[in-house]
Amino acid sequence: DQQVKQNSPSLSVQEGRISILNCDYTNSMFDYFLWYKKYPAEGPTFLISISSIKDKNEDGRFTVFLNKSAKHLSLHIVPSQPGDSAVYFCAAGRNYGQNFVFGPGTRLSVLP
Amino acid sequence: GAVVSQHPSWVICKSGTSVKIECRSLDFQATTMFWYRQFPKQSLMLMATSNEGSKATYEQGVEKDKFLINHASLTLSTLTVTSAHPEDSSFYICSAVGRANTGELFFGEGSRLTVL
Repeated sequence: DQQVKQNSPSLSVQEGRISILNCDYTNSMFDYFLWYKKYPAEGPTFLISISSIKDKNEDGRFTVFLNKSAKHLSLHIVPSQPGDSAVYFCAAGRNYGQNFVFGPGTRLSVLP
Repeated sequence: GAVVSQHPSWVICKSGTSVKIECRSLDFQATTMFWYRQFPKQSLMLMATSNEGSKATYEQGVEKDKFLINHASLTLSTLTVTSAHPEDSSFYICSAVGRANTGELFFGEGSRLTVL
């Protein structure tokens, strides 16, 4: 049973527009959430995190929104750039000091 | 906002050598830091909890003599992979809890280790 789901395996967005990547989780005990970006043949790069005490966290062009009641989080990238094209993974964990479970990833393609 | 920095972001080493990865909190004091390892297409597994001024607490199955953790100051924790082997190749990431303890974790960028 997948505890962390990313239902869109791929997403294409025009350069300059907003990219919205979604992630759903099933375990209501999860209270830390992470987003990673991964380019081909490279290791993942940590992007942004959010804890359950917040519903929004912003870092430059990246904003993560958390809806605890819906067990849903989303990553917004605005404006999208061709260099953002990568696979994006969300991960969820319970309390700090615990393991994090990754979703299957969404491949984002930003078209020039 | 608060920043945690890891160095190096990517390291390649020969089998049998030791590699040190640093995790620094740049604008806050971190009494507690965590070290994780990501397995391919799997979860981010907690390896150990590092507390400033005391010995690290290792998770079950993690060799403490293999993965040496030192948290000598409130802004720096280091992970040393000793006598590295190809199976140690992985993505290692740290996180830190601020002293103000807002309940928020701050993550480093991660370090990719490749052992030849």
